[in-house]
Amino acid sequence: DSGVTQTPKHLITATGQRVTLRCSPRSGDLSVYWYQQSLDQGLQFLIQYYNGEERAKGNILERFSAQQFPDLHSELNLSSLELGDSALYFCASSLGGSGRSGELFFGEGSRLTVL
Amino acid sequence: AQSVAQPEDQVNVAEGNPLTVKCTYSVSGNPYLFWYVQYPNRGLQFLLKYITGDNLVKGSYGFEAEFNKSQTSFHLKKPSALVSDSALYFCAVSLRSNDYKLSFGAGTTVTVRA
Repeated sequence: DSGVTQTPKHLITATGQRVTLRCSPRSGDLSVYWYQQSLDQGLQFLIQYYNGEERAKGNILERFSAQQFPDLHSELNLSSLELGDSALYFCASSLGGSGRSGELFFGEGSRLTVL
Repeated sequence: AQSVAQPEDQVNVAEGNPLTVKCTYSVSGNPYLFWYVQYPNRGLQFLLKYITGDNLVKGSYGFEAEFNKSQTSFHLKKPSALVSDSALYFCAVSLRSNDYKLSFGAGTTVTVRA
């Protein structure tokens, strides 16, 4: 158990809909990362927050947004969903950046299926 | 810009034989390098990291990796593979100047046959 909790584990929805994925980081970790894993794109970095502030941005679509709240949990919002958004979405946390802490702790992922 | 390449989609070895998973990186700066492993239906787990110092780093489950600056490589190795090592392995890189963005390779599926 990594200590990172993601909900929901599975989600099935229709095209055009909006969903919210939630992540609770490991106790004491200030950084939260979001990744998307799909068969055709592999593991893609989406966005990273540190102590409530956005620190790095990757291949995140404009239809997607994220935030980190004062209690350090994070939410990833996906809107106007398309079939291609079907993927496994991972949250990870670390104390600081990857170099300072040395490793990221990953949750079990939220599997999104868009029909 | 930063990226890693894992040239092999799959690696197949017999149990007890040496295992090598290849990784090369491309960064404009000094890198931090990592290996992670993903078992089916699970999140990624940290194996080892290179930050600075000794080019040979040892990690979990008997794995080690060697940082080679001239070849921009960070290959993962295990002297004697186990069936339980069968999994998806990811190499990753971040920059010392911005270690908040960790970029992963495409992954290499390792199958160890009994």
